[in-house]
Amino acid sequence: AQKITQTQPGMFVQEKEAVTLDCTYDTSDPSYGLFWYKQPSSGEMIFLIYQGSYDQQNATEGRYSLNFQKARKSANLVISASQLGDSAMYFCAMSLRFTGTASKLTFGTGTRLQVTL
Amino acid sequence: DGGITQSPKYLFRKEGQNVTLSCEQNLNHDAMYWYRQDPGQGLRLIYYSQIVNDFQKGDIAEGYSVSREKKESFPLTVTSAQKNPTAFYLCASSMVWVGSYNEQFFGPGTRLTVL
Repeated sequence: AQKITQTQPGMFVQEKEAVTLDCTYDTSDPSYGLFWYKQPSSGEMIFLIYQGSYDQQNATEGRYSLNFQKARKSANLVISASQLGDSAMYFCAMSLRFTGTASKLTFGTGTRLQVTL
Repeated sequence: DGGITQSPKYLFRKEGQNVTLSCEQNLNHDAMYWYRQDPGQGLRLIYYSQIVNDFQKGDIAEGYSVSREKKESFPLTVTSAQKNPTAFYLCASSMVWVGSYNEQFFGPGTRLTVL
């Protein structure tokens, strides 16, 4: 069975600094997708970035980038130039056989990021 | 505006009662999902549906039931058989495309409290 591990329950970062949120995963399936979601205090889940297991390059979306190290089974999220609005819970998730079927997501327990002045 | 709506935002239920949570989407997505979130935890999949009139159990389906009579709607019933129903419930939807990842879009959630 697949598993996502996020070992940082909470992180602090100063405004305008970069921060890395850790995520490791475990699966024996060669075909998978890795996702990061942001959950503000209001509760909705906001999609941030995606990385496919066969993608050669690390994914980037604006200030978000995914540091994908396949051999280490890690998919860390890097947020550059942190803003106060980045304060939220961040979840790493994985899906298997994601093409042509409903993508069932397995989530980690999340990291709470607090951006300070 | 396209999106997913869930109602109500807050729901209180007496122990032993069934309750139905609403989820509607106007994104024309084929697949819909229900997740449960407990404090300090990630989301866990309850049920999902890839197409109308078809649905499958997720990891924690016991004590829950769903229906998918319309593409736009995927209501979740929390039955009295669910031992610990107090949680935050999130509905999501996605396309089902071959050759592409299927990003899930989430609704605002329903917070259920059993009194």
